[in-house]
Amino acid sequence: GAVVSQHPSWVICKSGTSVKIECRSLDFQATTMFWYRQFPKQSLMLMATSNEGSKATYEQGVEKDKFLINHASLTLSTLTVTSAHPEDSSFYICSALKPGQLDEQYFGPGTRLTVT
Amino acid sequence: KNEVEQSPQNLTAQEGEFITINCSYSVGISALHWLQQHPGGGIVSLFMLSSGKKKHGRLIATINIQEKHSSLHITASHPRDSAVYICAATSTGNQFYFGTGTSLTVIP
Repeated sequence: GAVVSQHPSWVICKSGTSVKIECRSLDFQATTMFWYRQFPKQSLMLMATSNEGSKATYEQGVEKDKFLINHASLTLSTLTVTSAHPEDSSFYICSALKPGQLDEQYFGPGTRLTVT
Repeated sequence: KNEVEQSPQNLTAQEGEFITINCSYSVGISALHWLQQHPGGGIVSLFMLSSGKKKHGRLIATINIQEKHSSLHITASHPRDSAVYICAATSTGNQFYFGTGTSLTVIP
């Protein structure tokens, strides 16, 4: 099956710093990638849809200036959490849409962010 | 009301039991996903289906489009099946809706 990787798998940073999370589709080209956030014991929440070569589409309530998304190539999307605060601590998951007759979505393993 | 509802929320089973997790949705969909999330958070996409039935090993997923209902079955359950199972729907408008998940614990 298709593989999506995320890096780093976990990161600890201090308040006020910025953190970049990478999402890569390893064996297919993904024009569309998605970024999700998950709070403890809760389901996934879609943050934004990332389209290669264009601006990301953010869900209502997600600050686009705080969560910067760049989809610079067909295999890489990045999420940068700017000026991180402890409330940004969460599990961030990406997925990539594999084009085909029936678009299949493949999830990355997630990145656990802890802001101290 | 959530667009995707799952039941049960929590499920404990003895090893070897047949397990069913249900998912109902209220939106028009182009695909229905079943995801597995293990402790530690990693998510695996188990199935994506738009009609009928799919089988992979001990896992079976079915969907009834008319009734807007899908089920995930696990045969001969094993402790390693313990995880959170999430139903998610891709709507015809290309939006994603997630169920709240079913936490499964299989006891040896």
